Amino acid sequence: QLQLQESGPGLVKPSETLSLTCTVSGGSISSSYYYWGWIRQPPGKGLEWIGSIYYSGTTYHNPSLKSRVTISVDTSKNQFSLKLNSVTAADTAVYYCARLHSGSYPWVDNWGQGTLVTVSS
Amino acid sequence: EIVMTQSPATLSVSPGERATLSCRASQSVSSNLAWHQQKPGQAPRLLIYGASTRATGIPARFSGSGSGTEFTLTISSLQSEDFAVYYCQQYDNWPQTFGQGTKVEIK
Repeated sequence: QLQLQESGPGLVKPSETLSLTCTVSGGSISSSYYYWGWIRQPPGKGLEWIGSIYYSGTTYHNPSLKSRVTISVDTSKNQFSLKLNSVTAADTAVYYCARLHSGSYPWVDNWGQGTLVTVSS
Repeated sequence: EIVMTQSPATLSVSPGERATLSCRASQSVSSNLAWHQQKPGQAPRLLIYGASTRATGIPARFSGSGSGTEFTLTISSLQSEDFAVYYCQQYDNWPQTFGQGTKVEIK
């Protein structure tokens, strides 16, 4: 059974870089059938798409986050990662990693449990 | 980006009754529309994709319909475990976008 598990610091200082890793178990991150993505949810608010990556390294980032986002994949560890730089309090959120069923229009079919990241000094 | 608008924001329903949730897209998303359920303190869970196809393990009381800009999620007979927040999501265009959610609460 597929499992996605986020890991990383729960507290990040303003202006620093948020770094999270998603470990995939029960499936291969190198499968051509899937993309892998990051989604976040500020406390008490709705869901925001951050970006996604294919095992080959092709990525898409939400333009609203401009050039602050880097998503990468490590096939040897069956992991993918998110880096968000120059964080502010507005980046405080639960961060979810997710699997997307690939195709011309990939959809989210599995979610990680989520990890809360607070931006505060 | 495509804006997804859900209505109502809150729906009060008695157990066993039918619930109808709406989602509107600011431009056509064809049938590239998913519904996710989120319970308090939990991650969302995929219910419906392709506007009307139930995900694996989802009970038949959940059904989706619509295409283009208007979509509906229907829960035919609400069970206690169905009280949650429901989000629609378009995946026709990047960035994929979500509605603000409809909370289904016990009446």
